[in-house]
Amino acid sequence: ETGVTQSPTHLIKTRGQQVTLRCSSQSGHNTVSWYQQALGQGPQFIFQYYREEENGRGNFPPRFSGLQFPNYSSELNVNALELDDSALYLCASSPNRGRNNEQFFGPGTRLTVL
Amino acid sequence: AQSVSQHNHHVILSEAASLELGCNYSYGGTVNLFWYVQYPGQHLQLLLKYFSGDPLVKGIKGFEAEFIKSKFSFNLRKPSVQWSDTAEYFCAVNAGNQFYFGTGTSLTVIP
Repeated sequence: ETGVTQSPTHLIKTRGQQVTLRCSSQSGHNTVSWYQQALGQGPQFIFQYYREEENGRGNFPPRFSGLQFPNYSSELNVNALELDDSALYLCASSPNRGRNNEQFFGPGTRLTVL
Repeated sequence: AQSVSQHNHHVILSEAASLELGCNYSYGGTVNLFWYVQYPGQHLQLLLKYFSGDPLVKGIKGFEAEFIKSKFSFNLRKPSVQWSDTAEYFCAVNAGNQFYFGTGTSLTVIP
């Protein structure tokens, strides 16, 4: 069974650019959540996708957007990058939406904005 | 706003000492509660979870946590820590379709 994978591992961008991060969910999982983890902080919930639809969103501006594909893999897009967007971006998948589901985390993508 | 508070930011213990990490949350409705661990160089892993039923839940590696609804708390415990427990520990709450993590507690166990 393959776990959650994310690409790329590291990324460097400059302010104002756009970035796309990718996540492959664990086999059999139809729900994907994205988190931003700044240095020294806990993960902050960005949004969740369930069967290609957004199923909940945290306190992030609209320049953070996402997609989920029919195979349940997902993308996180961030437009107009700001310095404060530098963080570890985590993807987590779960077997289904709803509270009674454990999330399985990927290794993350480290984004640096210069 | 909903929040999760972890009171201990850094904890240093000797091997065999007992551990208790505090976690409080602010949410009045039904919640699911989790503790995650992140070992050095590894990604987040689930230690234990509470959905319903017995408020004392047992997880992997000898960890347990107790849900006290009246105190909005979900403290993590281990009777005797080992050097291999050195890691970052995160409390998390799933409320509605939102997920909230605490800021984490860094545990260092000295051999």
